[in-house]
Amino acid sequence: DSGVTQTPKHLITATGQRVTLRCSPRSGDLSVYWYQQSLDQGLQFLIQYYNGEERAKGNILERFSAQQFPDLHSELNLSSLELGDSALYFCASNSYMGGNSPLHFGNGTRLTVT
Amino acid sequence: DQQVKQNSPSLSVQEGRISILNCDYTNSMFDYFLWYKKYPAEGPTFLISISSIKDKNEDGRFTVFLNKSAKHLSLHIVPSQPGDSAVYFCAASDLIGNQFYFGTGTSLTVIP
Repeated sequence: DSGVTQTPKHLITATGQRVTLRCSPRSGDLSVYWYQQSLDQGLQFLIQYYNGEERAKGNILERFSAQQFPDLHSELNLSSLELGDSALYFCASNSYMGGNSPLHFGNGTRLTVT
Repeated sequence: DQQVKQNSPSLSVQEGRISILNCDYTNSMFDYFLWYKKYPAEGPTFLISISSIKDKNEDGRFTVFLNKSAKHLSLHIVPSQPGDSAVYFCAASDLIGNQFYFGTGTSLTVIP
C-alpha cells in the first residue's frame, strides 16, 4: 500500500459530461502529481501541485483543470469529455519539491467515456 | 518528444536467470533516475533509484546501473522469479523535480 488514495476506482460517463477525480497524498507529502495512461501508452505527465500551488504543467488539455486544497488532497476535473479521454488517471505524491524523492502512486481511476 | 525511452516492449526470461531491462534518455539535465514495477489494475510501485553522482545502486535482487556518457540506465534482476512478471517503467527527473518523465514500459515475463 503506497498510502496514496484515489477515488473512484472506476468511472463510466458519456461524451460531453464532466467528472472529478480525487486524490489523497501520503501522509506528510506536500507534492501531488497527476498522470494519464492511455491504452498501450506510457505515463503522460499532466500537472503538479506543491502545498496548494501549481508548480508544473505538462500535456494537460484546456478542458482539464486541477487544484490542491489546504488539506493537501487534490482533484482533477475533466470536462466536455471525449471518447479519447478514456484512460487510467494516476495520482502520485512525494515528500518535497526538489531533490531526490521518489513518487508514490495511487491505484488509479479508470475513466471510460462512452 | 519522448525524453525517456524503453525500446523493448517485452522480455521473457527463465526463472533463476538474470533479467536486464534497458532505458535511454535524451536530456542531459536529468540527474535522478528511478525504476517502477506495475501489476495490472494497480499503480506503479517504486523499486529502486539512482542519482547522477553514482553509477550503481543495489537493493537485494535489484541493481540499477547508470552510464551518464551514454545516457543509458539498466535494471538487473538476479535471480528472476515468477513474481517479478510485471511491466517495468524507468523514469527520470531533473534537480528541481517538478516533472518526472516516464518511458513506455517493458513487460517482463519470468517463465517458471
